[in-house]
Amino acid sequence: AQSVTQPDIHITVSEGASLELRCNYSYGATPYLFWYVQSPGQGLQLLLKYFSGDTLVQGIKGFEAEFKRSQSSFNLRKPSVHWSDAAEYFCAVGAGNYGQNFVFGPGTRLSVLP
Amino acid sequence: NAGVTQTPKFRILKIGQSMTLQCTQDMNHNYMYWYRQDPGMGLKLIYYSVGAGITDKGEVPNGYNVSRSTTEDFPLRLELAAPSQTSVYFCASSSVSGGAGFYFGQGTRLTVV
Repeated sequence: AQSVTQPDIHITVSEGASLELRCNYSYGATPYLFWYVQSPGQGLQLLLKYFSGDTLVQGIKGFEAEFKRSQSSFNLRKPSVHWSDAAEYFCAVGAGNYGQNFVFGPGTRLSVLP
Repeated sequence: NAGVTQTPKFRILKIGQSMTLQCTQDMNHNYMYWYRQDPGMGLKLIYYSVGAGITDKGEVPNGYNVSRSTTEDFPLRLELAAPSQTSVYFCASSSVSGGAGFYFGQGTRLTVV
């Protein structure tokens, strides 16, 4: 069965520091891969996605993610974190004809120190 | 452009009561989904729809019902509320089978007491 692991429940970084959030997945083939961000009290917003092509994908708000097939990973990165990046981040993977097989990870909460 | 709109934002129900969570989207998306979010558990799919008149169960459908009479609307019905249904509910839509990514509403926080 497909699964998504986000090993870090909570990460704290200082403003201006770099960030990497980890995502590992288990799936039969290369699925669609996504990162979403959820600000407090808000719905999830799509940051970026990958299915094929260049394994380094750029997203909104200065985020990028790298797909590594050999490691079944899709880690999210940002070179310099801003206080407004404090939020919860979800990795999601899936396939299926109707999107019904998408699986979301448990989330990583990011705190940013001034 | 409103996107996906959910109402209400908050609700407290007593055990055994019923309610409908409303969801509407103005992007003409065929695919719509209901998820519940519990702490540390990610999102779990309750029901989904691939178009007006077509719905199907997701991973955790027990205790819920849906209908899809129009492209825009996808309400979620709780018939006999139980404490286990205390959660945050998200409606989402997609233009193509999820591969383009989902657009989410702001959520409904439901507490059953």
